[in-house]
Amino acid sequence: AQTVTQSQPEMSVQEAETVTLSCTYDTSENNYYLFWYKQPPSRQMILVIRQEAYKQQNATENRFSVNFQKAAKSFSLKISDSQLGDTAMYFCAFRTTSGTYKYIFGTGTRLKVLA
Amino acid sequence: GAVVSQHPSWVICKSGTSVKIECRSLDFQATTMFWYRQFPKQSLMLMATSNEGSKATYEQGVEKDKFLINHASLTLSTLTVTSAHPEDSSFYICSELDRADTEAFFGQGTRLTVV
Repeated sequence: AQTVTQSQPEMSVQEAETVTLSCTYDTSENNYYLFWYKQPPSRQMILVIRQEAYKQQNATENRFSVNFQKAAKSFSLKISDSQLGDTAMYFCAFRTTSGTYKYIFGTGTRLKVLA
Repeated sequence: GAVVSQHPSWVICKSGTSVKIECRSLDFQATTMFWYRQFPKQSLMLMATSNEGSKATYEQGVEKDKFLINHASLTLSTLTVTSAHPEDSSFYICSELDRADTEAFFGQGTRLTVV
């Protein structure tokens, strides 16, 4: 069975600084998707970034980038130039490319950006 | 704009009554929808997978007679919490996959309080 682990329950970062959120996962699959979702106080889940496991290049979306280490089963999220609006709960998620397409979420990291 | 519309955003009901939560696909016809439950400061727990025109698939430990899921059309899935009790109070979220089955879109969530 697949598992997703986020070992940092809470983190804080100064505005304009860079922060990295950690995520590890376990699977026997060779191809899959990994995601980072943001859940702000409104509780609306918002996709931050997505990575296909077969792609070696790390995904990047503006200030957000990932460090995908397939062999180590690690998928960290780097937020550059942190903004107050980045304050939210961040969930790492795993999904296979076949079958039921169920998402498996980590326990989340609460990020607070300080002014 | 929003791809998935969930309604209501919050509801208070008395113990013993039933409450229905609706999840509508606005952008395309979703054959598969997922229902999650989220306790305060915790991750999303998958309750069931809803497939249009067939019975929902429930995760282990989820009472199918208590959490009734109906997916009668490609644009609407409903979750009915029957004979609600205070311990059913939680945040419920629906999601659907995009056309390519590569990304999940989430509803705004429903905060249920049973008194």
